[in-house]
Amino acid sequence: KQEVTQIPAALSVPEGENLVLNCSFTDSAIYNLQWFRQDPGKGLTSLLLIQSSQREQTSGRLNASLDKSSGRSTLYIAASQPGDSATYLCAVNRGNTPLVFGKGTRLSVIA
Amino acid sequence: DTAVSQTPKYLVTQMGNDKSIKCEQNLGHDTMYWYKQDSKKFLKIMFSYNNKELIINETVPNRFSPKSPDKAHLNLHINSLELGDSAVYFCASSKASGRTQETQYFGPGTRLLVL
Repeated sequence: KQEVTQIPAALSVPEGENLVLNCSFTDSAIYNLQWFRQDPGKGLTSLLLIQSSQREQTSGRLNASLDKSSGRSTLYIAASQPGDSATYLCAVNRGNTPLVFGKGTRLSVIA
Repeated sequence: DTAVSQTPKYLVTQMGNDKSIKCEQNLGHDTMYWYKQDSKKFLKIMFSYNNKELIINETVPNRFSPKSPDKAHLNLHINSLELGDSAVYFCASSKASGRTQETQYFGPGTRLLVL
């Protein structure tokens, strides 16, 4: 059974700092890994989708990497801003199946 | 242009009542999902439908019954509500493309509180 772990559970950084969020999964036979952002009381916003044949994806200040063999992914946020404060969720699946989520990392960027 | 919409956004009800949550997507996707986010913020799949047919039903009490009148809608009906049903329920959709999957798009969530 697939399990997804995210470390740390919470992170507080000063504005402008670069940071890395970690995600690990137990079953490397995944097809896709997706990073989401969830603001308090809101739904989920997809940030990046990495297919299993890819090693990384970039969108603006965000860069997500995937190492299937070791069961790990990282989300790198460059030059963090207070507006980046949210919970970041990592999720994996196989093909067109439901996502298995980690419990998230709650990020606070202090101005 | 709401991609995945849910109604209602908030639902407060008494234990024992029956309630429904509606979900609609205008993305032309073939697959829709219901997820539950509990008080500890942990998101877990409940149901998955592909072209109006149930393909995944996780260990969910049979008080929960999804209904898909067409592939753009997936509604969730809950009978005899219990205190433990209080959670945020998210609907999502994705394009069915075999092994490769497109992004899953999520609705804004329905916050259910059972008193």
